[in-house]
Amino acid sequence: QQQVKQSPQSLIVQKGGISIINCAYENTAFDYFPWYQQFPGKGPALLIAIRPDVSEKKEGRFTISFNKSAKQFSLHIMDSQPGDSATYFCAASLGYQKVTFGTGTKLQVIP
Amino acid sequence: DTGVSQDPRHKITKRGQNVTFRCDPISEHNRLYWYRQTLGQGPEFLTYFQNEAQLEKSRLLSDRFSAERPKGSFSTLEIQRTEQGDSAMYLCASSLAAGLGSYNEQFFGPGTRLTVL
Repeated sequence: QQQVKQSPQSLIVQKGGISIINCAYENTAFDYFPWYQQFPGKGPALLIAIRPDVSEKKEGRFTISFNKSAKQFSLHIMDSQPGDSATYFCAASLGYQKVTFGTGTKLQVIP
Repeated sequence: DTGVSQDPRHKITKRGQNVTFRCDPISEHNRLYWYRQTLGQGPEFLTYFQNEAQLEKSRLLSDRFSAERPKGSFSTLEIQRTEQGDSAMYLCASSLAAGLGSYNEQFFGPGTRLTVL
């Protein structure tokens, strides 16, 4: 059972544009929603995370928007740069337990 | 380097052989997790430890898989009688349990890529 659905599967954005990745979850008990960035040959690295009692969190060019009633959350990358080209995973977890990952979005930022 | 380390980074083996992977977590972290990632997919949870106790195992972890964390520090993941379907990236992560209400910020290692011929 896939508990975190992610879209799109791939995304091509012009340099300077906005990249938007969407996720939806099923388990309302999840209480922590991290986003991970993964480069080829590397393990995932935590990018930004949000708790469900917060509707938006911004760190630099990265913003998470969270809609608890719709059970949806999204990542916005402002002023996208070629160095942002990577695979992004949304995820969810319950407290200290295992992280459930989405299927990933491969982002390509073209000059 | 204070991050999570994994060894080996790559392993090629023949079907039916046994393989063992090692993970060294961030030193003060008491929780250690193993995940498996296949091409084009997100990591899937396999098992996790708090200190030396193995607290949860996924249904993905068949009887051919065993994980240990004998002294609550490094961990090993062994796969017996490997099958071609075991080919994947095996990721280790660690975190620090900071008490009730804490959140699970997991730090991942670079992974061990297993290829079963």
